[in-house]
Amino acid sequence: AQKITQTQPGMFVQEKEAVTLDCTYDTSDQSYGLFWYKQPSSGEMIFLLYQGSYDEQNATEGRYSLNFQKARKSANLVISASQLGDSAMYFCAMRERKRNTPLVFGKGTRLSVIA
Amino acid sequence: GAVVSQHPSRVICKSGTSVKIECRSLDFQATTMFWYRQFPKQSLMLMATSNEGSKATYEQGVEKDKFLINHASLTLSTLTVTSAHPEDSSFYICSARDRLAGLQETQYFGPGTRLLVL
Repeated sequence: AQKITQTQPGMFVQEKEAVTLDCTYDTSDQSYGLFWYKQPSSGEMIFLLYQGSYDEQNATEGRYSLNFQKARKSANLVISASQLGDSAMYFCAMRERKRNTPLVFGKGTRLSVIA
Repeated sequence: GAVVSQHPSRVICKSGTSVKIECRSLDFQATTMFWYRQFPKQSLMLMATSNEGSKATYEQGVEKDKFLINHASLTLSTLTVTSAHPEDSSFYICSARDRLAGLQETQYFGPGTRLLVL
């Protein structure tokens, strides 16, 4: 069975600094996808990044990048130049290759950006 | 990106009543929709997988008779919380994938429904 582990319940970062949110996963499948979502206090789930298990390059999008280390089964999210608006819950999730399998989420990390 | 709507956004009801939550994919067809429940300061827990035209698949520990799911079309799934009790108060989020989506495509999430049972 697939499992996602986020060991940091809460993180603080100074505005304009970079921060890394940890995510490790466990699966017996060779083909899978890893996702990061941001959930502000409004509750909406905002898709940030996708990393495929066979992707050779780390996913990036603007200030968000994913540090994918397949051998360690880790997919950490790096946010550069933090902004106050980055304060939110961040969830790492995984889906196995089989069609129509759901996303399985980690427990999340609450990020607080300090001015 | 694709849009998933959810209605209502908030509902307050008395204990013992039933509440229906609608989830619609607005610009794509979703063979499969997923229902999650999220308690305060916790993660999203999958309740069930809803397949168009067939019975939903429920996760272990989720009562089928209490959480009725209907997926009557490729764009609509409904979750009915029957005989709601205060412990059912939670944030319910639906999610859908485009039926043509590849592995790399995300699930699209509705904005969620906050249910408060008094």
